[in-house]
Amino acid sequence: DAMVIQNPRYQVTQFGKPVTLSCSQTLNHNVMYWYQQKSSQAPKLLFHYYDKDFNNEADTPDNFQSRRPNTSFCFLDIRSPGLGDAAMYLCATSSRGMNTEAFFGQGTRLTVV
Amino acid sequence: AQTVTQSQPEMSVQEAETVTLSCTYDTSESDYYLFWYKQPPSRQMILVIRQEAYKQQNATENRFSVNFQKAAKSFSLKISDSQLGDAAMYFCAYRKIQNTDKLIFGTGTRLQVFP
Repeated sequence: DAMVIQNPRYQVTQFGKPVTLSCSQTLNHNVMYWYQQKSSQAPKLLFHYYDKDFNNEADTPDNFQSRRPNTSFCFLDIRSPGLGDAAMYLCATSSRGMNTEAFFGQGTRLTVV
Repeated sequence: AQTVTQSQPEMSVQEAETVTLSCTYDTSESDYYLFWYKQPPSRQMILVIRQEAYKQQNATENRFSVNFQKAAKSFSLKISDSQLGDAAMYFCAYRKIQNTDKLIFGTGTRLQVFP
């Protein structure tokens, strides 16, 4: 059974048109992450939530926002997508504590046209 | 700042043979975790193996084992008896031990397995 589910798997959006990617989890983990992964590059952390505490990476552009309305769901909002935002977006969860692994969703591949 | 480097963009191995993927990292911390994640094509990333820096013994998981050299800041992954299903991107990752949830990834190594 899928434990971290991302929707949609593929998203095409127009340049400048707001888009939302969603992530849900059945693991009841208190940490949820959003990573951006461009072709042949390492996944780059955009931000993460520890419970309701939002932690933004210093170099994450303001164009990227996130919402976590409850434990199970987390959303990535891109307010005005540019061509450079085309990437795979990975959602992951973990349970804070020692020696815990992160569980990843299958990702959403975003294309900007 | 911590960094993770994977110097092999691509590797290949024949089925049933052994292959080693390299990873080096940089940190000023004395305690931390290291991970190898596998990302098959169009599938989610999954944990292959983890190593706690305070443990001297190298971690093993079935056909997967690591060679952890703390002084050299090296963390290589050995895959024995390679199988076609091992073909994937492999990412090395680092995480501090306390009060942080952030995983720092290397750029990955694409492993091809030939019959």
